[in-house]
Amino acid sequence: SQQGEEDPQALSIQEGENATMNCSYKTSINNLQWYRQNSGRGLVHLILIRSNEREKHSGRLRVTLDTSKKSSSLLITASRAADTASYFCATGDYGQNFVFGPGTRLSVLP
Amino acid sequence: NAGVMQNPRHLVRRRGQEARLRCSPMKGHSHVYWYRQLPEEGLKFMVYLQKENIIDESGMPKERFSAEFPKEGPSILRIQQVVRGDSAAYFCASSPLTSGVAYEQYFGPGTRLTVT
Repeated sequence: SQQGEEDPQALSIQEGENATMNCSYKTSINNLQWYRQNSGRGLVHLILIRSNEREKHSGRLRVTLDTSKKSSSLLITASRAADTASYFCATGDYGQNFVFGPGTRLSVLP
Repeated sequence: NAGVMQNPRHLVRRRGQEARLRCSPMKGHSHVYWYRQLPEEGLKFMVYLQKENIIDESGMPKERFSAEFPKEGPSILRIQQVVRGDSAAYFCASSPLTSGVAYEQYFGPGTRLTVT
């Protein structure tokens, strides 16, 4: 299994500010994925970045990947109250069990 | 304590046939999630079930797909009249908790469905 470990565990910001959360992992990867989860719901896939990519954008999301440091960051720009959720990274794939770290709990205050 | 079990690991179906994917949650877990993963993509949520109840099926295609989690036995994801676009890896996860936060969802190894 390949586990991601997110940092910080909790983050509280004002609406309109940017939120940055980090993920570290242990083994070599083909890709890394970020997910969002609202309480009691399934995981929602946000973005996938391949091991040969350094940066990827999707709307207000920006993901970076540093394979030399085995770390990734997720930046949410111009945050909204609706962004309040837990965010997780994962590196699993078919044949490798997905294991998620504790996640970052993001609270966006109006 | 055995982990989440899925079978079969590989399933090949011809177009128009039915596919049945089974998931046995970890002992004591009464919540099951199904996800689909297309090549080079992340997991996509399909459905969340408790025993004998569908809690959230917002990710399920409107037609041909159904899921159940009976009082006894495994959870079943059923795909009728499969098409080539259904080819993917299907994962289930189980959780002991109502909240089912990601790190408390224990994932199975997946079933790779190939439609020829």
